[in-house]
Amino acid sequence: LAKTTQPISMDSYEGQEVNITCSHNNIATNDYITWYQQFPSQGPRFIIQGYKTKVTNEVASLFIPADRKSSTLSLPRVSLSDTAVYYCLVRAAGNKLTFGGGTRVLVKP
Amino acid sequence: DAGITQSPRHKVTETGTPVTLRCHQTENHRYMYWYRQDPGHGLRLIHYSYGVKDTDKGEVSDGYSVSRSKTEDFLLTLESATSSQTSVYFCAISDGAGTFFGPGTRLTVL
Repeated sequence: LAKTTQPISMDSYEGQEVNITCSHNNIATNDYITWYQQFPSQGPRFIIQGYKTKVTNEVASLFIPADRKSSTLSLPRVSLSDTAVYYCLVRAAGNKLTFGGGTRVLVKP
Repeated sequence: DAGITQSPRHKVTETGTPVTLRCHQTENHRYMYWYRQDPGHGLRLIHYSYGVKDTDKGEVSDGYSVSRSKTEDFLLTLESATSSQTSVYFCAISDGAGTFFGPGTRLTVL
């Protein structure tokens, strides 16, 4: 299973762009990279998933370099409500989903 | 939100008693998962299922068993609950693309 490594925490301010990088050095050829957001007392919520290059949806962008050994979640113009824990997952063969420690993002006014 | 429910939502029990948590889905997704989350920590995979009667262990499976007799239900059983199993338990379902989590069950073992 590909192990993921993320920063423990990040601080930002409202209106700024937040970029969280996840390392997954031993990602396998068929693995996808998925990001989740979790608020206190709630289950994680799917944000975005990608395999290579760039993926964008209405809430975030995901950048994956050619070697796929890392990925960066970009949250544009964050607001206070984006304060949460963000998890990077590698979807391995067999769909055994194992979470890393996550990144606690604090958005300040 | 995806059709996934967990029951009970809250439970207080005593050490040594058996406990069963239920995860129910209406999405007909193949994969189902049980995680536990302790204060200030991430989610740890207990068991998962990749089809009816097909299950496998996760990172922290000791003290837990699971059963999946039909697509829509995935049961997590603590045969003899211990205080170390006090936690919030999340169920998740997946069709291989997106993964959706239930609201969680808060279990307290006294």
